[in-house]
Amino acid sequence: GAVVSQHPSWVICKSGTSVKIECRSLDFQATTMFWYRQFPKQSLMLMATSNEGSKATYEQGVEKDKFLINHASLTLSTLTVTSAHPEDSSFYICSAGLAGLNEQFFGPGTRLTVL
Amino acid sequence: QQQVKQSPQSLIVQKGGIPIINCAYENTAFDYFPWYQQFPGKGPALLIAIRPDVSEKKEGRFTISFNKSAKQFSLHIMDSQPGDSATYFCAASAGTYKYIFGTGTRLKVLA
Repeated sequence: GAVVSQHPSWVICKSGTSVKIECRSLDFQATTMFWYRQFPKQSLMLMATSNEGSKATYEQGVEKDKFLINHASLTLSTLTVTSAHPEDSSFYICSAGLAGLNEQFFGPGTRLTVL
Repeated sequence: QQQVKQSPQSLIVQKGGIPIINCAYENTAFDYFPWYQQFPGKGPALLIAIRPDVSEKKEGRFTISFNKSAKQFSLHIMDSQPGDSATYFCAASAGTYKYIFGTGTRLKVLA
């Protein structure tokens, strides 16, 4: 149980285009979803926290207009990287949490490469 | 105060050895301390987690030791195997389950 999927697993796009990454909780309803960014050989950096039906809460320094997060249902959250640039190339990981539980369940990650 | 300091940055042990990874925190509001294992190109996977009301927790070959007064916790991997070679992250959260991650430890277990 508690499986989280991400799609796509990797994506290559041209500079200036927008890319959407989906995060789904497959066998449970996630009250909260988190989006992380991880650069090579570095730790996970929390970008934003989203609750179903409400606006995401972004961490300091994360551009909300560049990284659009939508959490339309209890099983789906999307991250859209708008007008992507090479410096946005990174490994993006989502996680999902259940109300009343501390544990987060992580997705397999999405490798974004912007040319 | 929100930081979780993790050491060492990297670690090499022989097969069968017991690597120990340490984490320290400042925020006394933290009440949940998980450890995650991450292989290259994959998402993190939960190994084991502990709360401040216990000093030690064991699951299989993985043991967490927790020292509340020192605000430190550590991961021990018993009888380490080459398949344990991965990056290990500690984390801490305070109720709302927003995680603060440590910087990671790259472990290599030699055959």
